[in-house]
Amino acid sequence: EAGVTQSPTHLIKTRGQQATLRCSPISGHTSVYWYQQALGLGLQFLLWYDEGEERNRGNFPPRFSGRQFPNYSSELNVNALELEDSALYLCASSQQGQYYEQYFGPGTRLTVT
Amino acid sequence: KNEVEQSPQNLTAQEGEFITINCSYSVGISALHWLQQHPGGGIVSLFMLSSGKKKHGRLIATINIQEKHSSLHITASHPRDSAVYICAVRRYGGSQGNLIFGKGTKLSVKP
Repeated sequence: EAGVTQSPTHLIKTRGQQATLRCSPISGHTSVYWYQQALGLGLQFLLWYDEGEERNRGNFPPRFSGRQFPNYSSELNVNALELEDSALYLCASSQQGQYYEQYFGPGTRLTVT
Repeated sequence: KNEVEQSPQNLTAQEGEFITINCSYSVGISALHWLQQHPGGGIVSLFMLSSGKKKHGRLIATINIQEKHSSLHITASHPRDSAVYICAVRRYGGSQGNLIFGKGTKLSVKP
């Protein structure tokens, strides 16, 4: 069974640009979670999507947004990139309601120059 | 003060040593997770605990709800155990889906 996949593996952008990160959950999983791991800050919860709807978001500005598609894959968009957005962005998925059993993808490393 | 604190931040051990990583939290929780992150970023969920003790191979996780403390033990450590170990908690009554993470413990096991 394929795990959670993310693309791209690495992404380099300049300040002010927009970044789009993608995540495909494990087959049968309907929930997708996004996390940011910035250097020295540990993992922080960003967004949670389930059945196509945003269920919860962490303490991040509105320029961090996303969506979930009918096939349950998800996109994270970061607008007006700032240098401090440089981080590893991790996606996780779970079966509906089983938020305690999340499976993580390998991550996308975003570098903003 | 962070709601989830891990210690130590860095740990170097010799192959075969018994290792303990600690996690303390300051909020009421419904569950605690131990995660393993290998170089490159990939994260594996090791344990989810709400009480007691769990064992998987050479890994043992314990939790004391009254003391708001959990430990992750590795017996007969091996260089392939080298990774960052992260403690994460789900706040009791909090929104489903979001975990609060510790900053991680970087473990290096030398042959």
